[in-house]
Amino acid sequence: DTAVSQTPKYLVTQMGNDKSIKCEQNLGHDTMYWYKQDSKKFLKIMFSYNNKELIINETVPNRFSPKSPDKAHLNLHINSLELGDSAVYFCASSLASGSYNEQFFGPGTRLTVL
Amino acid sequence: RKEVEQDPGPFNVPEGATVAFNCTYSNSASQSFFWYRQDCRKEPKLLMSVYSSGNEDGRFTAQLNRASQYISLLIRDSKLSDSATYLCAMSGGYQKVTFGTGTKLQVIP
Repeated sequence: DTAVSQTPKYLVTQMGNDKSIKCEQNLGHDTMYWYKQDSKKFLKIMFSYNNKELIINETVPNRFSPKSPDKAHLNLHINSLELGDSAVYFCASSLASGSYNEQFFGPGTRLTVL
Repeated sequence: RKEVEQDPGPFNVPEGATVAFNCTYSNSASQSFFWYRQDCRKEPKLLMSVYSSGNEDGRFTAQLNRASQYISLLIRDSKLSDSATYLCAMSGGYQKVTFGTGTKLQVIP
């Protein structure tokens, strides 16, 4: 009965490859997010979707393309991977209504680009 | 100036001690404030929201000072299990939450 799940948990790949990370939540939330946490532990938002619509798109290279097929899923596709993309990518979800909305995070995908 | 700033620590404290962390923010339009806890190689989890009037949950007390633009977290009677990184976070709307880089706490036996 995992709340927010991500696959894969670990991803090791070569520079230049294309890879995808999947995220699913079973909490009935309407907003989902992708965060990147680098080696210095800085957790930075990349994208946010509300009811399948993109509402936050931070300054992220366009090699990163999120896709939300429905409210419960938010995937992240990364083209032409670079060394600097190595990080932990967290998916999260929350309810949009109200201001004090707890974000529930997935376990993270540890991406290593060689 | 960073949007959200925290002392990275580490704070090394003995069991039973009281420890406090501050977190300053630059966006005066921030509306909602939070403390998250992140264990090593795990995801962040909400510890507590921070309300204008301050709030307490067991050994944990959170305060908000809008005039000086900071939030604080006080942990009383520290336990070994409190060892973790504590991330402050705030939201200014559109569900965008900005996180600090975290303060590492190590409780020593």
